[in-house]
Amino acid sequence: GAVVSQHPSWVICKSGTSVKIECRSLDFQATTMFWYRQFPKQSLMLMATSNEGSKATYEQGVEKDKFLINHASLTLSTLTVTSAHPEDSSFYICSARDRVLGGLYNEQFFGPGTRLTVL
Amino acid sequence: DAKTTQPTSMDCAEGRAANLPCNHSTISGNEYVYWYRQIHSQGPQYIIHGLKNNETNEMASLIITEDRKSSTLILPHATLRDTAVYYCIARALNTGFQKLVFGTGTRLLVSP
Repeated sequence: GAVVSQHPSWVICKSGTSVKIECRSLDFQATTMFWYRQFPKQSLMLMATSNEGSKATYEQGVEKDKFLINHASLTLSTLTVTSAHPEDSSFYICSARDRVLGGLYNEQFFGPGTRLTVL
Repeated sequence: DAKTTQPTSMDCAEGRAANLPCNHSTISGNEYVYWYRQIHSQGPQYIIHGLKNNETNEMASLIITEDRKSSTLILPHATLRDTAVYYCIARALNTGFQKLVFGTGTRLLVSP
């Protein structure tokens, strides 16, 4: 299947700093990318959906000024957690939909996740 | 998208078949049943999907009842590496940006 990578795989930062997480589709073009957050022992919660070249659509309750999403190319989306606080500590996962492979069945390919710890 | 209900957890002996049920009694005619799994501290992995016919691939089989109100994911010979949380999702193809909404899933523990 298609491969999605995330960088970094884990990051520790101080409270008040900003952290950028990259999501890349390695061998396909991703029309749409999704960002999820997962707290310990909980399910994945969709944060936002981004289409290449346009503004992201955020889920209710997700602060768009705090979680900045950029999807500037068909292979790269970034999530920036601005002014991070300890409650932002979580497992952040991206997924991408292949404009060709996903096609009619909309199969999404997930990245390995990024564990963010804010001290 | 229709709501799905899964058991919280299940156990399975290594080498035996793991049968994971999913209830989706309010599923509509244009909604597919998708299965994903998430191994600890990794991103979810697509397993299989179907509409009304049974499906099989190299990973698993999907059995959907005739009334489509429930389905079963079958891992024919479970291994320790199949220990994961399995998510059943009912989703229509034409839902906006085709986002996936994950429920709580079933935590499958495969033991030696």
